[in-house]
Amino acid sequence: QVQLQESGPGLVKPSQTLSLACSVSGAPISSGSHFWSWIRQPAGKGLEWIGRVYASGSPNYNPSLKSRVTISLDTSKNQFSMNLSSVTAADSAVYYCGREVLSFSYYIDVWGKGTSVAVSS
Amino acid sequence: QSVLTQPPSASGTPGQKITISCSGSDSDMGSNYAFWYQQFPGTAPKLLIHTDNQRSSGVPDRFSASKAGTSASLAISGLRSEDEADYHCATWDTNLGAWVFGGGTKVTVL
Repeated sequence: QVQLQESGPGLVKPSQTLSLACSVSGAPISSGSHFWSWIRQPAGKGLEWIGRVYASGSPNYNPSLKSRVTISLDTSKNQFSMNLSSVTAADSAVYYCGREVLSFSYYIDVWGKGTSVAVSS
Repeated sequence: QSVLTQPPSASGTPGQKITISCSGSDSDMGSNYAFWYQQFPGTAPKLLIHTDNQRSSGVPDRFSASKAGTSASLAISGLRSEDEADYHCATWDTNLGAWVFGGGTKVTVL
């Protein structure tokens, strides 16, 4: 059974870069048959997709965050990571990683438990 | 501001049927499949429905979904107290090249 676990700092200062990692167990991220996504949820608000990566091509990013985000794979650790630069208070949220599986189309079927990030000086 | 539009809340008494709507546009819901996620407070979303109307493994058949044009809906029949949660709709937006979500609907069992 596939499991995902996010890790990273719970507090980041404004203007700094937020770096998060998602460790994957139960499936090799190098297989190329899944996308690996990042999603966030500000407190009391809806979900926002950040972007995704897969072993066989270039990452896709949400246009609203594209200038500040980088998502990459580390197959040696079986994990994928997200960097979000120039953070502000608006980037405070619970950050989830997820796996996309292909049926008739891709969809996020497994989620990590999430990690809470606050942006504050 | 979420791309997909959901009512912020819905409620019903035990045993009732409630329906949650999700409205999009031609480039998102009108062109791609609808998905629904259930989220309890303090926990991660869980896949409920995929590919418009397919229940995920283990989801009771009290949950059903449909899609027509640019709108999708989730129905919960035989409402139970354990159904109290937030429900999020999602789809791919072909123009944006991104997943888009609704703002979530909080279901309360009275």
